[in-house]
Amino acid sequence: AQSVTQPDIHITVSEGASLELRCNYSYGATPYLFWYVQSPGQGLQLLLKYFSGDTLVQGIKGFEAEFKRSQSSFNLRKPSVHWSDAAEYFCAVVGTSYGKLTFGQGTILTVHP
Amino acid sequence: GAVVSQHPSWVICKSGTSVKIECRSLDFQATTMFWYRQFPKQSLMLMATSNEGSKATYEQGVEKDKFLINHASLTLSTLTVTSAHPEDSSFYICSARSQLAGATQYFGPGTRLLVL
Repeated sequence: AQSVTQPDIHITVSEGASLELRCNYSYGATPYLFWYVQSPGQGLQLLLKYFSGDTLVQGIKGFEAEFKRSQSSFNLRKPSVHWSDAAEYFCAVVGTSYGKLTFGQGTILTVHP
Repeated sequence: GAVVSQHPSWVICKSGTSVKIECRSLDFQATTMFWYRQFPKQSLMLMATSNEGSKATYEQGVEKDKFLINHASLTLSTLTVTSAHPEDSSFYICSARSQLAGATQYFGPGTRLLVL
């Protein structure tokens, strides 16, 4: 069975600082990997996804993520955080095109001015 | 592109009544739609998967007679919470997936249900 772990429940950074949110997955092969962001009381917005190919993927809002097969990781990064990035971030994995998403526990990002 | 809407965005109802939530894919055909439930400060919990024209597949522990799902067209799925009780109060989110998008799910904005 597939699983996703986001080790950090809550991260606080200062505006303008760099950000890295960790995500580790467990799956027998290379899964499809996603990062979603959720603002309070809202649905989930897709930030980026990895299916195959270049292991560094670019997403919206200046985010990027790197797939590292050897570490079973798909960490999300942003060079300079903006106050509007404060939200909850979910890493998710699915094994096949027709499978069900498995979500991590989520990481809440707080941005200090 | 890939916009999913939900209606209503929030609803308050009395215990014992039924509530219907709509999920629409606005600019693509959704061959599969998913319904999730999210408790405060928790991740999403998949309730059921529905394919257009087929019966929904419910996750273990989800009462199919309580949470009725209909996916009658490629752009609309509905979730009906029957005989709602206070413990059904939650945030319900749908997502949609098209054949063209492969594994990617696009999420609606969610529906907050409060049962008094």
